[in-house]
Amino acid sequence: AQSVAQPEDQVNVAEGNPLTVKCTYSVSGNPYLFWYVQYPNRGLQFLLKYITGDNLVKGSYGFEAEFNKSQTSFHLKKPSALVSDSALYFCAVRDGSSNTGKLIFGQGTTLQVKP
Amino acid sequence: GAGVSQTPSNKVTEKGKYVELRCDPISGHTALYWYRQSLGQGPEFLIYFQGTGAADDSGLPNDRFFAVRPEGSVSTLKIQRTERGDSAVYLCASSAGLLTDTQYFGPGTRLTVL
Repeated sequence: AQSVAQPEDQVNVAEGNPLTVKCTYSVSGNPYLFWYVQYPNRGLQFLLKYITGDNLVKGSYGFEAEFNKSQTSFHLKKPSALVSDSALYFCAVRDGSSNTGKLIFGQGTTLQVKP
Repeated sequence: GAGVSQTPSNKVTEKGKYVELRCDPISGHTALYWYRQSLGQGPEFLIYFQGTGAADDSGLPNDRFFAVRPEGSVSTLKIQRTERGDSAVYLCASSAGLLTDTQYFGPGTRLTVL
């Protein structure tokens, strides 16, 4: 069965410092991995995805993520955090070997960036 | 261009009533998805349409939930005999059609069952 784990409920960083939001996954086939961000009372906004190719994926707003097959991880990173990055972040996985587009989401990690 | 839109934004109903939630996908997107997000949780998959047909309805929790997409564009999620446990934010997403394509989400409909 597919699953996603986001081990931290909340991550706190100071503005200007690097940030990491962790994600590990489990799928039986090839993983397709996604990061979304959710601001209060808003829908999910797409940040980036890994389908195939280069393990380092760059996305919106300066975010990037690294696919690590051996550790089954897809951690989200940003070199310098902004206060406006404070939001709820979701990692999601799809089994690339299946014929359904359904995404399995993690529980979410709240990122708090302090000035 | 316009994104995914959902109506209503909020719906309050009484236990036992019937509700319909509407989703307008991005123009030209052939794939459409419904998810449900309970407080403090990640979105949970309900159903996936490719065109007019439900390609995967494995996430529908029981037979009180039903969704249609008769013309391959707008979709309606229908919930019969609502229960308090159905209270959640119902999210709709659409994508261009390939399973590798990004799903773009609407703002959601917050359903409250009293």
